Amino acid sequence: DQQVKQNSPSLSVQEGRISILNCDYTNSMFDYFLWYKKYPAEGPTFLISISSIKDKNEDGRFTVFLNKSAKHLSLHIVPSQPGDSAVYFCAASVQGGSEKLVFGKGTKLTVNP
Amino acid sequence: GAGVSQTPSNKVTEKGKYVELRCDPISGHTALYWYRQSLGQGPEFLIYFQGTGAADDSGLPNDRFFAVRPEGSVSTLKIQRTERGDSAVYLCASSPLDRGVHEQFFGPGTRLTVL
Repeated sequence: DQQVKQNSPSLSVQEGRISILNCDYTNSMFDYFLWYKKYPAEGPTFLISISSIKDKNEDGRFTVFLNKSAKHLSLHIVPSQPGDSAVYFCAASVQGGSEKLVFGKGTKLTVNP
Repeated sequence: GAGVSQTPSNKVTEKGKYVELRCDPISGHTALYWYRQSLGQGPEFLIYFQGTGAADDSGLPNDRFFAVRPEGSVSTLKIQRTERGDSAVYLCASSPLDRGVHEQFFGPGTRLTVL
């Protein structure tokens, strides 16, 4: 039973446009959310995170939005660049304790020049 | 500084054999995690160490899997009597959790293939 769901296995956008990656979760205990980027044959690289006390966090071209009532978060990349092409994983955790991450299955983003 | 390193990068073994996978976390990180990623899936939690002790091993699939971190730094994941279903990429991550940092930093993984 998946607690974190990324329903789009892939997304293709043009360079310069906005990329929007979506993530839904079912466990209301989750209070910290992270996005990771993964290139082939490498480990996931931390991108951006958000605590449940916020509804938006921005870092350069990357913005994460959290809608707690809908149990939904999204990652916006503006403008998208070819180097952003990778698999993006959404992850969630409960702060305190082990803080183990629960991951979605990932969305493969392709940014076309 | 140096990131998380994992050795070997690839391991091919035969069904029934014993394997050890090693993780060197970022220096000073007290929290260490092991995850397993199968094809087409996201990483799945296996075990968490805070210092030398396994504080949460709820993700270990069965008693063939065991992990240690004897000095609170390097960790070894041990798999006995390997099965073909154990084939996956095994990821290690570390975090300075005791400093209020919640992000985990991952190594490149060890790709295990059980023939």
